[in-house]
Amino acid sequence: AQSVTQLGSHVSVSEGALVLLRCNYSSSVPPYLFWYVQYPNQGLQLLLKYTTGATLVKGINGFEAEFKKSETSFHLTKPSAHMSDAAEYFCAVIPWGAGNMLTFGGGTRLMVKP
Amino acid sequence: GAVVSQHPSRVICKSGTSVKIECRSLDFQATTMFWYRQFPKQSLMLMATSNEGSKATYEQGVEKDKFLINHASLTLSTLTVTSAHPEDSSFYICSAPGQGNNEQFFGPGTRLTVL
Repeated sequence: AQSVTQLGSHVSVSEGALVLLRCNYSSSVPPYLFWYVQYPNQGLQLLLKYTTGATLVKGINGFEAEFKKSETSFHLTKPSAHMSDAAEYFCAVIPWGAGNMLTFGGGTRLMVKP
Repeated sequence: GAVVSQHPSRVICKSGTSVKIECRSLDFQATTMFWYRQFPKQSLMLMATSNEGSKATYEQGVEKDKFLINHASLTLSTLTVTSAHPEDSSFYICSAPGQGNNEQFFGPGTRLTVL
């Protein structure tokens, strides 16, 4: 079965510092890959996604992620953290042939220090 | 973009009562909707797939008689938590897939607290 691993349930960075949230998937066939953000007591908002084509994907709020097939990874980055980036981030996949069914990673809580 | 709404956003009920949560796709049709449960500080766990015009598909370990799902129309799915107990307290989120590009649109969630 497909699994998604997010290394680090909590990540703390200083405002202005680089944000790096890690995501690895287990699949011999690259799935569709997503990053979502969740603010407290709210639903999920799509940050970015990879389906096909360019492996470096740019999303909203200055985030980007790079699909690396050789590493089965889809890490999320942002050059400079803002206080407003503090939230829960979820990596998710749709395995090949699974229709629209998402499998989520465990989530990473990003904390931004002033 | 596509919008999914949920109602209510928050509900508190007594143990033993039933609670209905609605999920609506506001500007698009959804033959399929997904229901997730999220416990505090945890990820989303898929509970079931709601199918318009047919029975829902439940994930392993989810009691279909306790979590009743009805996909009444192409824009509405409901989740009824029957005989709720404190351990059912959770954040319930629905989603509906968009057209073609494998994206899902999520509702804002419903916080259920069972006393």
